[in-house]
Amino acid sequence: NAGVTQTPKFRVLKTGQSMTLLCAQDMNHEYMYWYRQDPGMGLRLIHYSVGEGTTAKGEVPDGYNVSRLKKQNFLLGLESAAPSQTSVYFCASSYSIRFYNQPQHFGDGTRLSIL
Amino acid sequence: ELKVEQNPLFLSMQEGKNYTIYCNYSTTSDRLYWYRQDPGKSLESLFVLLSNGAVKQEGRLMASLDTKARLSTLHITAAVHDLSATYFCAVDMDSGAGSYQLTFGKGTKLSVIP
Repeated sequence: NAGVTQTPKFRVLKTGQSMTLLCAQDMNHEYMYWYRQDPGMGLRLIHYSVGEGTTAKGEVPDGYNVSRLKKQNFLLGLESAAPSQTSVYFCASSYSIRFYNQPQHFGDGTRLSIL
Repeated sequence: ELKVEQNPLFLSMQEGKNYTIYCNYSTTSDRLYWYRQDPGKSLESLFVLLSNGAVKQEGRLMASLDTKARLSTLHITAAVHDLSATYFCAVDMDSGAGSYQLTFGKGTKLSVIP
């Protein structure tokens, strides 16, 4: 049981380049999330999805887009990378709100550097 | 806007000592989660607290929730080096839109020294 898998684990981009981060979960979770973690800032929610084909903005959505075409996958896109987007990105998944007694499960993170 | 504050942000403890990490939050919620993160690693769920007065214990860690005071505590008993990590509390925003969103504190970096 792999849980939440993020691809890639590391990436270096130049300013203005684009890329897509992939998150896959095999727990049949309804909800999926993208967070970024910066030193001293905790985790901040970028976008989330409550089901296939639906997405919503979190606390810091600017500069990012997401898609959830399949229940098990959640993609995070950077259209034109900026140095301020240098961060560690975590994907998480969970059951629906009816099962809030279950925690969110996190992937291992993607370390992204924008030069 | 929900704000979650942890203190202290940094904690250096001697092995064998006891200490408490505090998590305060700004709006009504009865769902609070504690996570542990080792350096360079993912977040691991420790506790899920879902009602006022909830108390959960696992080994040397005990977490409690006081929803009236909007306060959760993570108590460490007789600390050992293996507990060195960063601990996060997170509160469910309960947006009412059928979603389940967490707002995280900034984390408490715990170092247990011999």
